[in-house]
Parts: sequence; structure tokens; C-alpha cells
Amino acid sequence: QKEVEQNSGPLSVPEGAIASLNCTYSDRGSQSFFWYRQYSGKSPELIMFIYSNGDKEDGRFTAQLNKASQYVSLLIRDSQPSDSATYLCAVNYGQGAQKLVFGQGTRLTINP
Amino acid sequence: SQTIHQWPATLVQPVGSPLSLECTVEGTSNPNLYWYRQAAGRGLQLLFYSVGIGQISSEVPQNLSASRPQDRQFILSSKKLLLSDSGFYLCAWSVNSYGYTFGSGTRLTVV
Repeated sequence: QKEVEQNSGPLSVPEGAIASLNCTYSDRGSQSFFWYRQYSGKSPELIMFIYSNGDKEDGRFTAQLNKASQYVSLLIRDSQPSDSATYLCAVNYGQGAQKLVFGQGTRLTINP
Repeated sequence: SQTIHQWPATLVQPVGSPLSLECTVEGTSNPNLYWYRQAAGRGLQLLFYSVGIGQISSEVPQNLSASRPQDRQFILSSKKLLLSDSGFYLCAWSVNSYGYTFGSGTRLTVV
């Protein structure tokens, strides 16, 4: 069973602080990893993807991957109230066609 | 640019009634297409995916079916809905390894 685990939260962070979201996955052979943001009642939107060990930065967002520990994280710097949403971690388990398995999501609230 | 259309946005259907949800993609060719369901308070569950016309892979046994009659059209169907079919249905597409793009979703309530 291919699994993706996230702390469901809620995670509460003050405005301007760093929000840290974590995810673990079960299949050591997984090669690609994704973070999606989902506002209440809306569909998920892709924030970042990462394939290689280490950090990948895009604006206020940094994705971190450690394949040896089977661990992916997302850091949000200078958190804004508009960052309040559910963050979904996804792992590609497909051979050929992508097949993303999603975690349950972490609900993040940024307090002004 | 690529866009994905999904309709209807909301749907209330009685138990035992049929279902047809449609998804179309514009601005790309030969996309991989997916149907996911998100039940209330739960994660996204992959239902079906398709890598080409007429090619459907089912991930979860259930009373739902999918079809891909054209390259950029993906349809989710049921002959008789169950209460447990309620949820947020999402269509998605991808053409490379850089993740999916989701449609706006259909919120289905079976009563």
C-alpha cells in the first residue's frame, strides 16, 4: 500500500513567521514529489514540485526533500493571511503515466 | 495556454439516479487525464486515469465508470448512485512529469 502521511493540523502560525509543513511517504522508489494548496471549497493548485534531494526555492516557498528519510517538507517564509489553506503533499507512484497519491493535507491558519 | 473545463459545479441527485460528469481540456494534445474524488474531511482518492482515447485504468472498484471518447474529453458515469458517492469530484490533466492541473471540480450530493 503506497501511503503519504501528513499531520492534519490545524497548524497556527503568526503573520510574518515561517510555516513548516511535513510529509512522509512509504515507497522508497518514489522519484517526484509535489505540494498543492487548496482553499476551502476550491480545487487544489500546484505550488511546487521537487525531484532531487535538497532544497528548492520559489519566492517565499522552499521545498525540501530527503529520500533517505522518505521525507518532504514545505517552508513558507513571511507567512501571510492569504496563505491560510490546506496544503496537500503528493507523491508520484506511477510507472509511465503519473499517478499521484495525496496525503490527507495539513490545514494552515496564519493569524494576523 | 492550457485550460480545463469541468461541469456542473454542483449537483444534487437522488439515490439510484444516473450520473454523468464531463471534463474537457483545451490547448494541449494527448494529455493524461484523471478523475479524483475528495470525500468530506478526507484526502484525494484516484478513481480513474487515461493515457489515451479509449484507454481507462480503474484504481478503485465501485459503481462508477469512466470513458474517454475523444483525446481531450473525459467522462465519469454511474448507472445508479449511492449515498457514499457524495463528494467533490475533480478532473485533472498532465502532459509531462511536472504534476497535475485540476479543474474547478463538481460537488455532488446524493440524497
